[in-house]
Amino acid sequence: AQTVTQSQPEMSVQEAETVTLSCTYDTSENNYYLFWYKQPPSRQMILVIRQEAYKQQNATENRFSVNFQKAAKSFSLKISDSQLGDTAMYFCAFMKINFGNEKLTFGTGTRLTIIP
Amino acid sequence: SQTIHQWPATLVQPVGSPLSLECTVEGTSNPNLYWYRQAAGRGLQLLFYSVGIGQISSEVPQNLSASRPQDRQFILSSKKLLLSDSGFYLCAWVEGFVTPGYTFGSGTRLTVV
Repeated sequence: AQTVTQSQPEMSVQEAETVTLSCTYDTSENNYYLFWYKQPPSRQMILVIRQEAYKQQNATENRFSVNFQKAAKSFSLKISDSQLGDTAMYFCAFMKINFGNEKLTFGTGTRLTIIP
Repeated sequence: SQTIHQWPATLVQPVGSPLSLECTVEGTSNPNLYWYRQAAGRGLQLLFYSVGIGQISSEVPQNLSASRPQDRQFILSSKKLLLSDSGFYLCAWVEGFVTPGYTFGSGTRLTVV
């Protein structure tokens, strides 16, 4: 079974600064996907970024980028030029490639607060 | 475009009462559908998933059940709610195999009193 660990329950950073959220996972699979989801106070789950395990290049989406270390089973999220709207819970998630059953295993989340 | 609808948004129910939460998807056919629960201050836990009409798989044995009476409809039910059923319930569907990822509904906050 897969496990996802987010060791930072809470973080805060000044607006416009850069912040990195940590995530580690444990799996015996070789092909899988990793995700970061954002859950703002509205509680809507929003996909932030996705990484395919077979790709060595780290995924980027505007101000969001990841540092994917497959051997170390590490998948951290970097938010550059942080904005007040980035305040939210952030969940790291793992998906084994299994057509017809794409279950997500979530970490316990990191509550990020951007300070004006 | 594909959209997912989930209702009600908020629900307060007494212990022992029945429950029915509904989720529908538009703009796609034969989606894989999922029910997750988020307890206060915790991550999401998979409850049920369905790959087709009438096909339900349960991840966690509990007081809840799920049904899929139509291709794009997924229902979460309970005959008698427990206090421990309180939480935030999210329905989701998978976009596809080429670019996998979930699209989540807006969620239902259930409080059992």
